[in-house]
Order: sequence, then structure tokens, then C-alpha cells
Amino acid sequence: AQKVTQAQTEISVVEKEDVTLDCVYETRDTTYYLFWYKQPPSGELVFLIRRNSFDEQNEISGRYSWNFQKSTSSFNFTITASQVVDSAVYFCALWRPDGNKLVFGAGTILRVKS
Amino acid sequence: NAGVMQNPRHLVRRRGQEARLRCSPMKGHSHVYWYRQLPEEGLKFMVYLQKENIIDESGMPKERFSAEFPKEGPSILRIQQVVRGDSAAYFCASQGTAPYGYTFGSGTRLTVV
Repeated sequence: AQKVTQAQTEISVVEKEDVTLDCVYETRDTTYYLFWYKQPPSGELVFLIRRNSFDEQNEISGRYSWNFQKSTSSFNFTITASQVVDSAVYFCALWRPDGNKLVFGAGTILRVKS
Repeated sequence: NAGVMQNPRHLVRRRGQEARLRCSPMKGHSHVYWYRQLPEEGLKFMVYLQKENIIDESGMPKERFSAEFPKEGPSILRIQQVVRGDSAAYFCASQGTAPYGYTFGSGTRLTVV
């Protein structure tokens, strides 16, 4: 069975702090994709990153970085120098090739205070 | 190139009424997915449709819910005789080539009073 666990329900940080959001997944597939989405207070889903199971290189995009480790089935997301605008719910998701659907974690609420 | 369009953005229905949620996929996309987000929860898959076909409805409640994606026009998620537990955000996504281009709409927030 496919499963995504985001153990951190809510995280509060002060602006400019670094914060890491954890994501642990379970799958028996050898080919799969992992995603992160941001859901700001306005409610829409904003795509952040897609990573396939064969690419374990870490990725950096501005203040965002992702650490994919197959050995621990984790795909963690770090925001450097957090800003108030980063306050949102962040979802990690797993895509199965044969199921052709996303399996979402429960989300982590990030609150960044000024 | 417009994104995935969902309407209405907000919908209020009284218990027992019907709710119709519409989704127009991105141009060129022939695959549509519906997900439901209950309050303070992650998104849960409901149904996957291609034009005129339901491919996977394993996440749809057995009663009162139905979905269609006709040859012409938007995909429709229909909820009959709504109950308070149906209050949620319903997201539609469309896709060209899997898994790329899996794009979500802004969602419809259904409130049942």
C-alpha cells in the first residue's frame, strides 16, 4: 500500500529562521514520483517540486531545498530564512504510475511570525 | 493558456439539496481527477475520468456522488442530497502526459448548512 506521512502537524518559527518539513513515504513501486505542494490561506494548491525515484540529487530553488533519500524513504523540504509569506499548509504527495493518482500526506501547517 | 478552471469557487447548499461542481481542464488535457479535502486534512482521491469514461472511481462514496466528463463541456461532480459531512474543498486536476502537467484548479469550497 502507498502511504505518505507528515508527522509534523504544525510548526511555528520566527522570520528568518530555517525550517525543515518532514515527509516519509511507503511504496513497493520502483518507479514513482514525489511532490510538494503549498496551500496558502487563499486555498489554492501551488506546485513546488516533482522528483522521480531514480533521481536522488538534492535540489535547491532559491530559499527552498529538498533532500530525497531513498534509503530512509524520505523527501524532506527545507525553507531557508523563512518569511511571513511562507505561512501555509505544505503537502507531500506520492504518485503511482499504475494508479495514476496522487496520495497525499495530511499536511504540515507552517506559521512564520514576524 | 488558461489553467484548470473550477466553478463555482464557493457553494452553499442546504441539507438535502444537490451540488454540482464544474471543472474545465487545461487545453489539450483529456484526463481529469477529482480530489476532496475535508477540513484540516490532506487531499483524498475520488475519481479519474477521461472523455466519456470513468477510469477509476475507487475513492468515490458509494451513494449520492457521481462524476462525468462528457465529450463536450466540463467535467461535473454531482452530489445529491447533501449532508453536513459533505462540506469540504473539492479540487479538480487535469493531466496531459503522466505525471507531468498534473495541474490543480483553485477548488470549490462546498458548505452545507
